[in-house]
Amino acid sequence: EDKVVQSPLSLVVHEGDTVTLNCSYEVTNFRSLLWYKQEKKAPTFLFMLTSSGIEKKSGRLSSILDKKELFSILNITATQTGDSAVYLCAVEARAGNMLTFGGGTRLMVKP
Amino acid sequence: SAVISQKPSRDICQRGTSLTIQCQVDSQVTMMFWYRQQPGQSLTLIATANQGSEATYESGFVIDKFPISRPNLTFSTLTVSNMSPEDSSIYLCSVGQGYNSPLHFGNGTRLTVT
Repeated sequence: EDKVVQSPLSLVVHEGDTVTLNCSYEVTNFRSLLWYKQEKKAPTFLFMLTSSGIEKKSGRLSSILDKKELFSILNITATQTGDSAVYLCAVEARAGNMLTFGGGTRLMVKP
Repeated sequence: SAVISQKPSRDICQRGTSLTIQCQVDSQVTMMFWYRQQPGQSLTLIATANQGSEATYESGFVIDKFPISRPNLTFSTLTVSNMSPEDSSIYLCSVGQGYNSPLHFGNGTRLTVT
């Protein structure tokens, strides 16, 4: 059974701090790893990672994948209150876009 | 990315009744899925909505409880039948274009069953 585990479960930081969110996985047929941000109901897409060691970056957010050690990290620098959300990691290990999600990390950024 | 419109946005329903959720995409998409997110939990795949044929259900989900239609490449419905309080969840429509493309989500339907 495919498994995706995220840590920490929750995190409280102050504005300006840097945070690192972790995602480890055990799947039989890895295709890609994706990160999403969920503020209310709809997860919004952040990154899709398929190759090890190549950092993806978007503003203050960045992510990298290690396919040998089977994990990914999501970094957020200079956090803002608007970064408060649940961050979801998902792995595509079956053909056709089907994703297995981790339990999420709930991030709260205090002013 | 495609614009995905899901409705209703939220509903409160009585046990024993059924609710149909609609998902409309502004362009043709290859893959459409329905996910459920129970309170405090992560997302669980209910089924793949196949265009012109019966949906493919994940373990633990059955057609009688969650009938799905997908008459074309831009529209799908999920019905939650004979509801009980345990069905209270967020239901999410998602779309993808296959290999090497990310999945995108509709705005979700927050269902409360009393």
